[in-house]
Amino acid sequence: AQSVSQHNHHVILSEAASLELGCNYSYGGTVNLFWYVQYPGQHLQLLLKYFSGDPLVKGIKGFEAEFIKSKFSFNLRKPSVQWSDTAEYFCAVNGASQGQNFVFGPGTRLSVLP
Amino acid sequence: DAGITQSPRYKITETGRQVTLMCHQTWSHSYMFWYRQDLGHGLRLIYYSAAADITDKGEVPDGYVVSRSKTENFPLTLESATRSQTSVYFCASRGPTDTQYFGPGTRLTVL
Repeated sequence: AQSVSQHNHHVILSEAASLELGCNYSYGGTVNLFWYVQYPGQHLQLLLKYFSGDPLVKGIKGFEAEFIKSKFSFNLRKPSVQWSDTAEYFCAVNGASQGQNFVFGPGTRLSVLP
Repeated sequence: DAGITQSPRYKITETGRQVTLMCHQTWSHSYMFWYRQDLGHGLRLIYYSAAADITDKGEVPDGYVVSRSKTENFPLTLESATRSQTSVYFCASRGPTDTQYFGPGTRLTVL
């Protein structure tokens, strides 16, 4: 069975600090990879996605992620976080054999201190 | 506005009662999904539907029933609610670029 792990349960940063959230998945075939963000009290919104091509993808709000196939990783980064980035971040994987099913990681809660 | 709506947004019910959560999308996306979100588990897929009258089980289907008589609606029914079904439920649809779009969620409490 496929799975997605996220390295940190809760990350606390000060404004302007750099951010990296880890995501690893277990699946040997072709995958589509996603990062979603959930602001407090809101629904999940797409931050960025990777299907193919350049392994460094840029998303909204200054976020980017790098797909490293050999490490089965898709880490999310942002050079300078803001208080408004406080949210929960979910990594998700959709493998070819899963059909339309997504597998989500458990989420990482990010708290940015002003 | 176009998008996914869920109703009710909040629901409190008692053990053993039947509860139906509604989901409506305006995009005419073929695929729709129901997830539950629990602390420490992220999102887990309950059921999904590839089209009207086509549904299939996800990771945690027990205790839930779905139907999809129309493309735009995908209701989720808890036939006899249990406390373990207290959760936040999200409906989603899949767009043409394989991206899932989520509704605002329904917070369900089973007493």
